[in-house]
Amino acid sequence: QSALTQAASVSGTPGQSITIPCAGSGGDVGTYNLVSWYQQHPGTAPKLILYDVDKRPSGISDRFSGSKSGNTASLTISGLQPEDEADYYCCSYGGLPNFWLFGGGTKVTVL
Amino acid sequence: QVQLHESGPGLVKPSQTLSLTCSVSGASIGNGGYCWSWIRQHPGQGLGLVGYICYTTDAYYTPSLKGRATVSVDTSTSQFSLRLTSVTVADTAVYFCAGIQSNSFHHWGQGLLVTVSS
Repeated sequence: QSALTQAASVSGTPGQSITIPCAGSGGDVGTYNLVSWYQQHPGTAPKLILYDVDKRPSGISDRFSGSKSGNTASLTISGLQPEDEADYYCCSYGGLPNFWLFGGGTKVTVL
Repeated sequence: QVQLHESGPGLVKPSQTLSLTCSVSGASIGNGGYCWSWIRQHPGQGLGLVGYICYTTDAYYTPSLKGRATVSVDTSTSQFSLRLTSVTVADTAVYFCAGIQSNSFHHWGQGLLVTVSS
């Protein structure tokens, strides 16, 4: 199984909404509602912002939302803020033999 | 609050064995509610699962490592470890330990850069 596919970069202006797609296959995103998203600022560890497609861990802003349609999951950031500038990675459980697959990451730039 | 912290050498010679340890606090490492994993990030690239272990089950590894990786848990020290044998320059990466809960990586260590070089 190959990694999930994400756009290399997405940009937006403060206050705007942006959506980051994550394309998988029928063996991962399309089968399991076990998609998670991670935010990573430069030089720091990734941080979980969504799990089980659309659930937010405690303390995560409701400006972050998730959805899934077929083999593609999406992360939407509403009311874009300067601190949202980071890399975002999707991840899906895919069963044997790879278990969890990550996307290549999307760099979000706030213009 | 669950906290994880990686430790180990920052430099390993080619063909040698890389050994890393992750110390866990704020959660019982033997708790069936968690699995424990190692994830790595090659310089300037994305994330990739190395392997993971759940206390009550066997460890699982990404196939691309071709049997070079071993993940183990030591409940007496609340630590889990990664051994990666026969390393090459392609194993140079930041290694993160992470706690798995609800089928996602909820808790992360700060990461440890490991360079493979002679």
